[in-house]
Amino acid sequence: KNQVEQSPQSLIILEGKNCTLQCNYTVSPFSNLRWYKQDTGRGPVSLTIMTFSENTKSNGRYTATLDADTKQSSLHITASQLSDSASYICVVTDYNTDKLIFGTGTRLQVFP
Amino acid sequence: DSGVTQTPKHLITATGQRVTLRCSPRSGDLSVYWYQQSLDQGLQFLIQYYNGEERAKGNILERFSAQQFPDLHSELNLSSLELGDSALYFCASCYPQNCDYYEQYFGPGTRLTVT
Repeated sequence: KNQVEQSPQSLIILEGKNCTLQCNYTVSPFSNLRWYKQDTGRGPVSLTIMTFSENTKSNGRYTATLDADTKQSSLHITASQLSDSASYICVVTDYNTDKLIFGTGTRLQVFP
Repeated sequence: DSGVTQTPKHLITATGQRVTLRCSPRSGDLSVYWYQQSLDQGLQFLIQYYNGEERAKGNILERFSAQQFPDLHSELNLSSLELGDSALYFCASCYPQNCDYYEQYFGPGTRLTVT
């Protein structure tokens, strides 16, 4: 079982709508949690990095939340744009090993 | 543009062959990470180098090896290639030894196809 699970696996929304992506993890203890955006065939680009003590972090229209008690994080995208079409990857750093553990991502498609 | 460069962009080779992937980190970055991303799979951490020395190992096969040179560029060597090695290979760089709390900048990747 993957230590970082993301849902949904894929999502289709209309331009201008909001959406929320979920990340559940079992990595414990953890150092930080990141969200990356990856366009098809390109390298991931960081959206947010949160330490275990942070609850929320924003980057423009992207807002990430973290609940360390329930081991859940979400990425909320506001007023989606066509350019938001990409895979969104949740990454958790294992505190004991310093290793980054990647989720398999949520593939988001935004249609006009 | 992240500032990290990878060559080649695409590579097609046959099973049993050996290839070398190259990564140049962002100017000033000392750490280089290598990742493998297979079709429909998440990124898998392979190995990290810091200032020329191996720092951490992930799920890297014995057929794979890497090194970081004095000018800080890194090479990932893949030998005795199998069909299952077909994947996107990314490198990422950051400045400090421990990039846990810092931004990792990813390169554009090398797409390896083994036929």
